[in-house]
Amino acid sequence: GEDVEQSLFLSVREGDSSVINCTYTDSSSTYLYWYKQEPGAGLQLLTYIFSNMDMKQDQRLTVLLNKKDKHLSLRIADTQTGDSAIYFCADANSNSGYALNFGKGTSLLVTP
Amino acid sequence: GAGVSQSPSNKVTEKGKDVELRCDPISGHTALYWYRQSLGQGLEFLIYFQGNSAPDKSGLPSDRFSAERTGGSVSTLTIQRTQQEDSAVYLCASSTGQSYGYTFGSGTRLTVV
Repeated sequence: GEDVEQSLFLSVREGDSSVINCTYTDSSSTYLYWYKQEPGAGLQLLTYIFSNMDMKQDQRLTVLLNKKDKHLSLRIADTQTGDSAIYFCADANSNSGYALNFGKGTSLLVTP
Repeated sequence: GAGVSQSPSNKVTEKGKDVELRCDPISGHTALYWYRQSLGQGLEFLIYFQGNSAPDKSGLPSDRFSAERTGGSVSTLTIQRTQQEDSAVYLCASSTGQSYGYTFGSGTRLTVV
């Protein structure tokens, strides 16, 4: 199947910005998502972006999409210790009923 | 209910036994998905139901796995003759069938001993 790749680990200091990167291979991806999973908890949808957009901002979160390079990033401004979690990138398209194809997740550790 | 409900939250079973995992989606959500999360494989898509259409079973790892959705609402994922490699967290999600609005349940942690 098509791949979604993410770096496995990121460590930042509290108050700094975090940037989590993701690449995907499916050129028919029409929607891209970021999910957050805290320890022992379920998956929480953070934000999503349509493939015809190149940026979406939602409070401290900024998603950038480079469709040509199939590269997606999630920037978290003023990162807090409560942002420590695993962040999953996922893509989907209408051909597969919007079933999500996930990356393996990036563990974000925020240190005081 | 307000969210996607899964039961049981934890299940320990002996190798070779059959298990049933249940998912109650959000009322009115027409699409229902099952995923599996394990350390080695990350999050894997298993099966997808949309309304009255035939389910997309392309992600089921073997014929020991099956799922049904009765009345367009509750879904049951059945694993027959469980193996140790089936140990994972099984997640259910529902949506309106559009591109956004997925809501995941808290999952069922299955341990095969």
